Amino acid sequence: QSVLTQPPSASGTPGQRVTISCSGSSSNIGSNYVYWYQQLPGTAPKLLIYRNNQRPSGVPDRFSGSKSGTSASLAISGLRSEDEADYYCAAWDDSLSGGVFGGGTKLTVL
Amino acid sequence: QVQLVQSGAEVKKPGASVKVSCKASGYTFTSYYMHWVRQAPGQGLEWMGIINPSGGSTSYAQKFQGRVTMTRDTSTSTVYMELSSLRSEDTAVYYCARDYPIAVAGRPSCWFDPWGQGTLVTVSS
Repeated sequence: QSVLTQPPSASGTPGQRVTISCSGSSSNIGSNYVYWYQQLPGTAPKLLIYRNNQRPSGVPDRFSGSKSGTSASLAISGLRSEDEADYYCAAWDDSLSGGVFGGGTKLTVL
Repeated sequence: QVQLVQSGAEVKKPGASVKVSCKASGYTFTSYYMHWVRQAPGQGLEWMGIINPSGGSTSYAQKFQGRVTMTRDTSTSTVYMELSSLRSEDTAVYYCARDYPIAVAGRPSCWFDPWGQGTLVTVSS
């Protein structure tokens, strides 16, 4: 049972916009930055969004993040086949004094 | 360029210990926290703990308290994660991942970038 809650799956057709939610509590998302990671099959995760809504250089602006209260979301616009991957949210938890992840969302591009 | 290179795959018997290394290059080793994250087959990511390479202080997830030890060797810019009393449920890929600069952030975060390539640890009798 993950501390952060994500839907296990999401899907969309090429060109569509999809969103993935991440729900937490006051001790994690409510008081710390949210990060998003993309994991392609057989590879290490890659930082996709940092500090709620910032993109590292090289990440397309099709990817965007937002946070409100104790929830966050990742939006992917102009969906492409290469976006098919697992997506994880993460945040520091002050009560646990450690990092916590969502269970991951498998994105399928139909 | 910034790089984290981990040691190779391991096969261990239940009850044994494993020590995984993560060699950093391309940056000032002592200026960034280092995390360990694991991923069991077909499962999600799980945060294990963090080490401050400067002073060696550590913080572990409650789940691993008493079984995990994270250390560092500043002379070789390498961090280590040792997990003891292994059981089959510990079969996973173990990753090291660097945090944001300590002097800027002041505290740990979930900024994991870059990641090591991962080390598969298989626990089987």
